[in-house]
Amino acid sequence: ETGVTQTPRHLVMGMTNKKSLKCEQHLGHNAMYWYKQSAKKPLELMFVYSLEERVENNSVPSRFSPECPNSSHLFLHLHTLQPEDSALYLCASSQAPIAGGLGANVLTFGAGSRLTVL
Amino acid sequence: GIQVEQSPPDLILQEGANSTLRCNFSDSVNNLQWFHQNPWGQLINLFYIPSGTKQNGRLSATTVATERYSLLYISSSQTTDSGVYFCAVELASGAGSYQLTFGKGTKLSVIP
Repeated sequence: ETGVTQTPRHLVMGMTNKKSLKCEQHLGHNAMYWYKQSAKKPLELMFVYSLEERVENNSVPSRFSPECPNSSHLFLHLHTLQPEDSALYLCASSQAPIAGGLGANVLTFGAGSRLTVL
Repeated sequence: GIQVEQSPPDLILQEGANSTLRCNFSDSVNNLQWFHQNPWGQLINLFYIPSGTKQNGRLSATTVATERYSLLYISSSQTTDSGVYFCAVELASGAGSYQLTFGKGTKLSVIP
């Protein structure tokens, strides 16, 4: 148990479905991340929220929609996905340094949500 | 963007053997982390090591920032060490960008 919990752990959905992935962190961190891990590819950063504000959006298709209602919760809403979106989706959190502050982003990951799009 | 290369891509060890994994990066960094991903997908942070040497049990890591590489040492390997080891870095010039760039990983298999 890392302190970052992801649900569901496995999800199978059709291309016309709408589903959501949930992430909750119990570490008191101020930043949360969504990463995508596909077979044979490095981890790709999708979204970053710092203090509940989105600070990074790495050219992710609009069929992925993040939501961060508070500093402990992060969602990834999925709609009209494609089979190539099948992957392991990893949530992470960190105590990121505020502008001008000391420290570094040391990530703690959840166990991941394995998504299969049929 | 910054390039992160890990070697070897695959490694098979007999239980009890030692190994060294390498991470080369193409630019100055202020953040370097090593992770272990188990066969079920869970990523565990092993070290935050932008420079210097750290040890944690059978694992140790050394980063030589001026020469742009980091090494992860695994001694007396156990079957539970199997999985993929990732190196991730953040550009020194990109401090505060939240952009950790991951390498492709080294897949380690420890056989009894």
